[in-house]
Amino acid sequence: ILNVEQSPQSLHVQEGDSTNFTCSFPSSNFYALHWYRWETAKSPEALFVMTLNGDEKKKGRISATLNTKEGYSYLYIKGSQPEDSATYLCAFYNQGGKLIFGQGTELSVKP
Amino acid sequence: GAGVSQTPSNKVTEKGKYVELRCDPISGHTALYWYRQSLGQGPEFLIYFQGTGAADDSGLPNDRFFAVRPEGSVSTLKIQRTERGDSAVYLCASSLNPGAYNEQFFGPGTRLTVL
Repeated sequence: ILNVEQSPQSLHVQEGDSTNFTCSFPSSNFYALHWYRWETAKSPEALFVMTLNGDEKKKGRISATLNTKEGYSYLYIKGSQPEDSATYLCAFYNQGGKLIFGQGTELSVKP
Repeated sequence: GAGVSQTPSNKVTEKGKYVELRCDPISGHTALYWYRQSLGQGPEFLIYFQGTGAADDSGLPNDRFFAVRPEGSVSTLKIQRTERGDSAVYLCASSLNPGAYNEQFFGPGTRLTVL
């Protein structure tokens, strides 16, 4: 059984705070790790597709790192804004060709 | 351009009824995926199409669930004899090609409620 775990399950921060969350995944048979953002009443939107150990990717105030040897990825948000409020999902692409999702981290940013 | 669309956005049905959920992928995307998200969980893989054929249907929970993609574009997920446990958000996604490195583009989902 492949488990993808995300922590924390939910996070409440003030506008301007920086924050980070974790995604843990199996360290064997790694192909790729995807991060998605899912805002209420919208479609999940891809943030990053990470493929190489040591990868660091950045999009605006959001960045992510990848450690395939120990099986974790961190997502960082610098200077959180209310529009960053969403559920952040990571998904492990396994040997079988499927995305296995974690349960998500629900972020709420208060003005 | 147009993204992935799903209809209906909400479906309320009674236990035992048949439902069809439709997905229109991005034009030209060869891979199409169906997921189901239950409350408090991440999306769970159901089935994946490459072109017209189901390349992997290992996530379909039982034989009440069936999906088709007859012309390699629009897909329909069909659920027979619905049960209360089928209540969930059903998500569809497409990608230009299958594979680990291709991001998937998601639709807004269909929220199915079985009374």
